[in-house]
Order: sequence, then structure tokens, then C-alpha cells
Amino acid sequence: AQTVTQSQPEMSVQEAETVTLSCTYDTSESDYYLFWYKQPPSRQMILVIRQEAYKQQNATENRFSVNFQKAAKSFSLKISDSQLGDAAMYFCAEAYNNNDMRFGAGTRLTVKP
Amino acid sequence: EAGVAQSPRYKIIEKRQSVAFWCNPISGHATLYWYQQILGQGPKLLIQFQNNGVVDDSQLPKDRFSAERLKGVDSTLKIQPAKLEDSAVYLCASSKLAEQFFGPGTRLTVL
Repeated sequence: AQTVTQSQPEMSVQEAETVTLSCTYDTSESDYYLFWYKQPPSRQMILVIRQEAYKQQNATENRFSVNFQKAAKSFSLKISDSQLGDAAMYFCAEAYNNNDMRFGAGTRLTVKP
Repeated sequence: EAGVAQSPRYKIIEKRQSVAFWCNPISGHATLYWYQQILGQGPKLLIQFQNNGVVDDSQLPKDRFSAERLKGVDSTLKIQPAKLEDSAVYLCASSKLAEQFFGPGTRLTVL
């Protein structure tokens, strides 16, 4: 069974600074996908970034990047130049193909002006 | 491209009543998911459809929850009878490849 663990229930960052959100997962599959989703108070889940497990290169989307350590089963999200609009719940998720996506418990990110 | 649509956005019912949620996925997305998100937790998959067939319903409480996707497009999720612990946000998502797109959710409050 897959499990996804986010060990930081809450994180805080100063505007324009950098913050890293942690995620570890456990899967027996060799080919899978990892995701970070953002859920603002409006609660619409929005995909931030995704990583295919077979790719060694870390995914990057503008100010968002990941540190994917496959052997350690670690998938952290780095947000650079944090903005007030980045404040939200962030969920790490893991899925095998299109099936059985499992989410972590989430990290609430606060951005201080 | 229109996103995943869900209705209603909010629903308040008494325990033991019935309730139904509706989801319209993104056009062309064969896979549809229903999740339950309890306050303070991540979403939990209830059921996954591939076209109009069920792929995974292992976490669906089948004694009270049911879902259908008769024509492989829209889907409904029903709870009857509802319990207090069913209070949650019910999220619908659809996908074509590996990325899932989520709807705005329905917040259910059971009194």
C-alpha cells in the first residue's frame, strides 16, 4: 500500500524568501508519479508541479522546484521568492499511472508580508 | 477549456437523510474520481471510474455510499442515510493522462 507523509503541519515564510516543504512516500511500484497540489481557502485543488519517477532531472515550474530523491523516497517542494498568493494548503501526492492517487495530510503555508 | 463542474457547492442535511452530488468532468477525460476530504486531512479516494466502469471502489462505504457514471460522462455520488461523520468536502476530479483536474467541491454538513 502507498503512504504519503508530510511531517510539517504548518510552515511560515517571509514574503520574497524561500521555503521548502517536505514529503516522503512509500510505494512498491518502480514507475509512478509524484505531485504537489495547492489548495487555497477557496478549496479548488490546483496542480503546482509533477515529477515522473523515471526522470532523474528535478521538475521546475517558475518559482516552484522539487528535490526528488528516489532512493530515499523523498519529494520536497521549494518555493522561491514567496508571494502572498502562495499562502494555502499544500498536498503531496503519489500515484501509479492514473490509479490510486494517495495524498499526504497537507502543510499549511503562511506567507508573512 | 471548461473545468470540472460540481453541484451543489454547499449542502446541509440532517442525519439519516439522503443527499446526492453531481459532477461533470472535463470533456474528453475518460477517468473520473470522487474524493472525500475531511477537515484538516488530505483527500481520500472513494471511487474511480474509467469511462462508465468502476476501476477502484475499495474505500467506498458501500452500505451507504453509491456512485454511478452511466454514460461515461457525468457522475453522481449518493449518500443514504447520512451520518454525522460524513461531514466533509466531496471533490470530483477527472484526468486524461497522469494529471488530475479537480472541481471546486461540495461541502456537506450533516447535523
